[in-house]
Amino acid sequence: DTEVTQTPKHLVMGMTNKKSLKCEQHMGHRAMYWYKQKAKKPPELMFVYSYEKLSINESVPSRFSPECPNSSLLNLHLHALQPEDSALYLCASSQGRDSYFEAFFGQGTRLTVV
Amino acid sequence: AQSVAQPEDQVNVAEGNPLTVKCTYSVSGNPYLFWYVQYPNRGLQFLLKYITGDNLVKGSYGFEAEFNKSQTSFHLKKPSALVSDSALYFCAVRDISGGGADGLTFGKGTHLIIQP
Repeated sequence: DTEVTQTPKHLVMGMTNKKSLKCEQHMGHRAMYWYKQKAKKPPELMFVYSYEKLSINESVPSRFSPECPNSSLLNLHLHALQPEDSALYLCASSQGRDSYFEAFFGQGTRLTVV
Repeated sequence: AQSVAQPEDQVNVAEGNPLTVKCTYSVSGNPYLFWYVQYPNRGLQFLLKYITGDNLVKGSYGFEAEFNKSQTSFHLKKPSALVSDSALYFCAVRDISGGGADGLTFGKGTHLIIQP
């Protein structure tokens, strides 16, 4: 099983809403990532979790709050987002933080903030 | 700092012809290099990686890439293109001197269009 599963696939939310994105992998990977991808742009790293601990936060606004409840799950809690936060949010995992491990990506959640 | 450059926004190839998608990199140490493909409204799929060893790396779906240290390049190639290869291709790098903690740095992407 080389799959990273993200839910929901699509999400429309108002600027006052609170919602969560979910990501799950069962490959035994110990590093998990959130990326943000705007249209026709490359993915940009947001957060890195290693062994369920946050190791990197790429200066992401506090309206995005990550959580790693266990080694298989990664959440991204959203609150008071802005329309410019509309994007494809990608979750990825890799065996570890070492550079030679490739990352496996989920299909993403298409987020629209209205 | 690490970076990759994909000089072509779009590459057009006739079906059956060989294809090349270009990538050059810049790192302070030795690089780990990756190619990913993205179909519309989908996540990224891993194609291949260069870590060490042979400069020619073979990957998924018949793709291969050639690592050239003197030219700091890692071009993606396929001997015979298929219409289904049409997609957005990303080159990515990790600098091993950075300890691997900082995820992947992607190039801007190249649209590959295979014409029947």
